[in-house]
Amino acid sequence: QKEVEQNSGPLSVPEGAIASLNCTYSDRGSQSFFWYRQYSGKSPELIMSIYSNGDKEDGRFTAQLNKASQYVSLLIRDSQPSDSATYLCAVNIAQAGTALIFGKGTTLSVSS
Amino acid sequence: GAVVSQHPSRVICKSGTSVKIECRSLDFQATTMFWYRQFPKQSLMLMATSNEGSKATYEQGVEKDKFLINHASLTLSTLTVTSAHPEDSSFYICSARLGLADEQFFGPGTRLTVL
Repeated sequence: QKEVEQNSGPLSVPEGAIASLNCTYSDRGSQSFFWYRQYSGKSPELIMSIYSNGDKEDGRFTAQLNKASQYVSLLIRDSQPSDSATYLCAVNIAQAGTALIFGKGTTLSVSS
Repeated sequence: GAVVSQHPSRVICKSGTSVKIECRSLDFQATTMFWYRQFPKQSLMLMATSNEGSKATYEQGVEKDKFLINHASLTLSTLTVTSAHPEDSSFYICSARLGLADEQFFGPGTRLTVL
């Protein structure tokens, strides 16, 4: 059973702080890793993709991947109340074209 | 990112009727589209994978005769909920895979309420 695990939260951080979201996955053959943001009542929105070990930065977001530890994380710097949402980690296994496997999501709450 | 649309965004119907939901990739061709369902405060549940020109692949526990999927072109997939019942009320979301990349882009979703 291929799984993606996330803490459900809620993760609460004050405005301006760094929010750290974590995800582990079970399939060592996984090749592609994604972070989606989902606001309440809306569909998920792709915010980051990462394919190789290390860090990838995009604005206030940094994705970190460690394939040896089967771990992927998302850091949000200078957190804003508008970042309050559920963050979904998604992983694609080795076979291209198959559906992503989603974690259950971590709810982030940024207080002003 | 790529744009995926869904229509309708919201539908209310009587029990026993059928409802069709359309999913379109607006600025790219999508050989593969996916249909998800999400109940309130729960995670996304993959229902089926839809490949252009072939039969959809359904996840375990999803009735293929109840949830009919057609992917007739590279930009359009449809999900028809046949003989809908109140327990089918949910948020239905499609996604499309962009070319050979693994990235998937989601449509805005369709909220179905069956009375």
